[in-house]
Amino acid sequence: NAGVMQNPRHLVRRRGQEARLRCSPMKGHSHVYWYRQLPEEGLKFMVYLQKENIIDESGMPKERFSAEFPKEGPSILRIQQVVRGDSAAYFCASSPPQGLYTEAFFGQGTRLTVV
Amino acid sequence: AQSVTQLDSQVPVFEEAPVELRCNYSSSVSVYLFWYVQYPNQGLQLLLKYLSGSTLVKGINGFEAEFNKSQTSFHLRKPSVHISDTAEYFCAVSSKGGFKTIFGAGTRLFVKA
Repeated sequence: NAGVMQNPRHLVRRRGQEARLRCSPMKGHSHVYWYRQLPEEGLKFMVYLQKENIIDESGMPKERFSAEFPKEGPSILRIQQVVRGDSAAYFCASSPPQGLYTEAFFGQGTRLTVV
Repeated sequence: AQSVTQLDSQVPVFEEAPVELRCNYSSSVSVYLFWYVQYPNQGLQLLLKYLSGSTLVKGINGFEAEFNKSQTSFHLRKPSVHISDTAEYFCAVSSKGGFKTIFGAGTRLFVKA
C-alpha cells in the first residue's frame, strides 16, 4: 500500500506565476488535509477536504489559494500569482473515513520556492 | 478550539543522556495525541500516538510519552539519546471523531557528542 504521494517534491516559480501542488491519498482514504510549513516554523493547518467537498478551510489565506479534491484524481492545492512569502513546504495528509480514524498519514511534502 | 504548546524551542543534550520534550495542550473535548519527528528536508514520521487506554505510550526509536489528563500534558521522553536523534519534534492533537490535527511549534533536539 503506497503512502501519501505528493508531487512535485520541489517546485520553483517566479513571482506572479501559478503553483499547482498535487496529493494522492493512501488507498482507501477519503479525507485529505493540507498544511504549510514556513521556514523555521511548525505546521499550520490550511484546509480539510473530502471527495468533492471542502469541510474546513479555516486556515486558507483568503486570496490566491484554493484547494479541491475531485471525485477522480488527486487533491490539488493551487496558489495563484505567487509571492516570495509563499515559499514554504506544503504537506498533504490523508486519513480513513470517520469511525476508522486514528491518525493522519503524511506525504513527503512539496517545497515551493518563489524567485 | 484546540491548541498545542511546546514549551522548549530548542533542547541541546549530550549523547547518551536522557531527554524530555514537553508538550501541553488545550481542548474542550476528548483528544488523540501524537508526536512526530522531522529530519532536515524530510516529511513527518509518526513516533507514537495516544488514542485511549494506558497513559504510557511506547513508540519507535526508544521514545515514550505519558498522557496526563489532569495536567493536559503529553511529554516525550527517551532514556538515552543518540546523535541520530537530532531532529525537529512536533507534538500534535486532534479531537476524537474530528479530523483536523493541530501542531505545536516544534522543539529542535540537538544531540552533542
